[in-house]
Amino acid sequence: TQLLEQSPQFLSIQEGENLTVYCNSSSVFSSLQWYRQEPGEGPVLLVTVVTGGEVKKLKRLTFQFGDARKDSSLHITAAQPGDTGLYLCAGEDNDMRFGAGTRLTVKP
Amino acid sequence: ETGVTQTPRHLVMGMTNKKSLKCEQHLGHNAMYWYKQSAKKPLELMFVYSLEERVENNSVPSRFSPECPNSSHLFLHLHTLQPEDSALYLCASSQDLWQGLEQYFGPGTRLTVT
Repeated sequence: TQLLEQSPQFLSIQEGENLTVYCNSSSVFSSLQWYRQEPGEGPVLLVTVVTGGEVKKLKRLTFQFGDARKDSSLHITAAQPGDTGLYLCAGEDNDMRFGAGTRLTVKP
Repeated sequence: ETGVTQTPRHLVMGMTNKKSLKCEQHLGHNAMYWYKQSAKKPLELMFVYSLEERVENNSVPSRFSPECPNSSHLFLHLHTLQPEDSALYLCASSQDLWQGLEQYFGPGTRLTVT
């Protein structure tokens, strides 16, 4: 059973568009991370959220942690080709879990 | 060298071969991890080491054998693998165990078992 469900699995958009990807679970997490992984590389940490309802911004990326600390979203404004990659969420309960990721392609 | 490095980057091996994957972290971290990443599946945590002691083994087949000789180096010894073991093997480190999941990953070893 995949405890962290990420959606959509694939997303292809044009440069300049906005998008939101989701990370959902039935488990409560003490913290949740978002990573981006580019081809041929390992995941790179983007952000950590800890408090329910927390919103963090990283340039054009906005991360939100659900009030119940079971889900999270990542919103990208005015996507650029450099945003292309696999976006992974990871949550910590008594163990650590990764989602399968959303593969984003931004076309110029 | 900075960060987390892994060698080799690519490995093709037969089912009867024995090979080893190497990971080295230059960050002064105390915890290191091995993950398996298969297509369309979540990262699977395989092994966890904290201060050179194995603290977790998530029901990984015995054909995978980890070794942590010191806090900077982590090995994954492979023998009699199966084709379904083909995957990207990622090493990661963190300052201390879990550390809020703020892990630093290496680039991975792409393993193909023929």
